[in-house]
Amino acid sequence: GQNIDQPTEMTATEGAIVQINCTYQTSGFNGLFWYQQHAGEAPTFLSYNVLDGLEEKGRFSSFLSRSKGYSYLLLKELQMKDSASYLCAVRDRSDYKLSFGAGTTVTVRA
Amino acid sequence: DSGVTQTPKHLITATGQRVTLRCSPRSGDLSVYWYQQSLDQGLQFLIQYYNGEERAKGNILERFSAQQFPDLHSELNLSSLELGDSALYFCASSNTGAGNQPQHFGDGTRLSIL
Repeated sequence: GQNIDQPTEMTATEGAIVQINCTYQTSGFNGLFWYQQHAGEAPTFLSYNVLDGLEEKGRFSSFLSRSKGYSYLLLKELQMKDSASYLCAVRDRSDYKLSFGAGTTVTVRA
Repeated sequence: DSGVTQTPKHLITATGQRVTLRCSPRSGDLSVYWYQQSLDQGLQFLIQYYNGEERAKGNILERFSAQQFPDLHSELNLSSLELGDSALYFCASSNTGAGNQPQHFGDGTRLSIL
């Protein structure tokens, strides 16, 4: 199985940058996903990493280090609408199921 | 709109009852996943089906069961309901589940047990 840790809450100012860290322990790694979830809504896919390095998608970037069991999601030029929970999820190699972290609630202040 | 359809959106029932939650995956997706999300817990994986067959099982209680039909829609059955079963139940789908294919989530069914 997986053990996934991410901070519970983060607060940042509109226009700033926030980095959400995720550490994981897994018996068989087969990819890491980041999802955004607004309260009471469905999670929506943000990014995917399976090889080490940085993946950039507009204002959002995600980094992976498999040897360290570590990923981060970088949110740039924060907007009020970015206030949400950000979920780190690791896929297991044996059965492709996703294990989710508890989520990091990001609050963007004006 | 993710393309994943879940019904009903809300369900209110009493302890001891049985309910069925329904999910239609995105067109072309063969894999369906069920998750439970409570207020004090993150997304908990319940079960996965691929093209009608069970592929992976998570922390699914024996009172819960699921199936995927030939038209690929899926149902999650919850029986002998308890207060603690109150949660948001999400269905997600992906093409096969491998590679860089993300899971796409439906809007969820909010189950309230009175």
